[in-house]
Amino acid sequence: DTAVSQTPKYLVTQMGNDKSIKCEQNLGHDTMYWYKQDSKKFLKIMFSYNNKELIINETVPNRFSPKSPDKAHLNLHINSLELGDSAVYFCASSPGTQRRYEQYFGPGTRLTVT
Amino acid sequence: KNQVEQSPQSLIILEGKNCTLQCNYTVSPFSNLRWYKQDTGRGPVSLTIMTFSENTKSNGRYTATLDADTKQSSLHITASQLSDSASYICVVSGQGSSNTGKLIFGQGTTLQVKP
Repeated sequence: DTAVSQTPKYLVTQMGNDKSIKCEQNLGHDTMYWYKQDSKKFLKIMFSYNNKELIINETVPNRFSPKSPDKAHLNLHINSLELGDSAVYFCASSPGTQRRYEQYFGPGTRLTVT
Repeated sequence: KNQVEQSPQSLIILEGKNCTLQCNYTVSPFSNLRWYKQDTGRGPVSLTIMTFSENTKSNGRYTATLDADTKQSSLHITASQLSDSASYICVVSGQGSSNTGKLIFGQGTTLQVKP
C-alpha cells in the first residue's frame, strides 16, 4: 500500500514542452508539498497546499503551476520546460501544517529536459 | 539566516564499522530536528525526530544526539551494513506559522558501506 505515489517515475522531454507530474497520498493528510532536488542533492521546497489551499509559494518561475483538485492530490504542471528544470521532483504530505515536520515523501520523479 | 550544514559531505566505511554524521544548524527559534535516510532513486524516509528537550534517541542501529545549546546533532550508525549505503539528510524545523516555520534541509551526507 503506497502512502505517497507519484507518476511518472521518469520523464524525458524536450525544451519548450509542457508536462505534468501527478501526486496522490492515501494517508488522509491535510498538507502536501512539492520539492525539487538538484544535482547537489539539496531538497528545496517549491509549494505547499493545505486542504487545497496554497500556503507556501517559494520563488519559483511562474512556468510552474501546482493544482490541488482535492486534499489527496497535488499535481505539478510545468510550461515551456528549460534545461535547468532537469532535477528530481518529490511530492510529500504531512498530517497538517502544525505537524509539517512529519513529512512522508513520494518516490520522486526524475525529469530530464533535453 | 536559517541554515543547516552537514559533514562530511561523503563517507566510505567498511561493513561492520561504526560511523558518525554531523549536523550543525542556525535555525532559530528551534522546534525539532529530524534525520532522514534517502536510498538511491527513492524519497527520504524518516529515521528519528528530536525535540528541544531530547538529548539522545535510538532507532535500532541508529542513534541521534542533539545539543540544543551548541545547535549540533549527530547520527551514529553502529555495525554498518551494506544496506546503510544512502544519503542521510538532517532537517530542522523552526517554530512559527506554516509559512515562516518551514523545514530547513541540509545538503546530506552520502554514506557508502563497502564489503
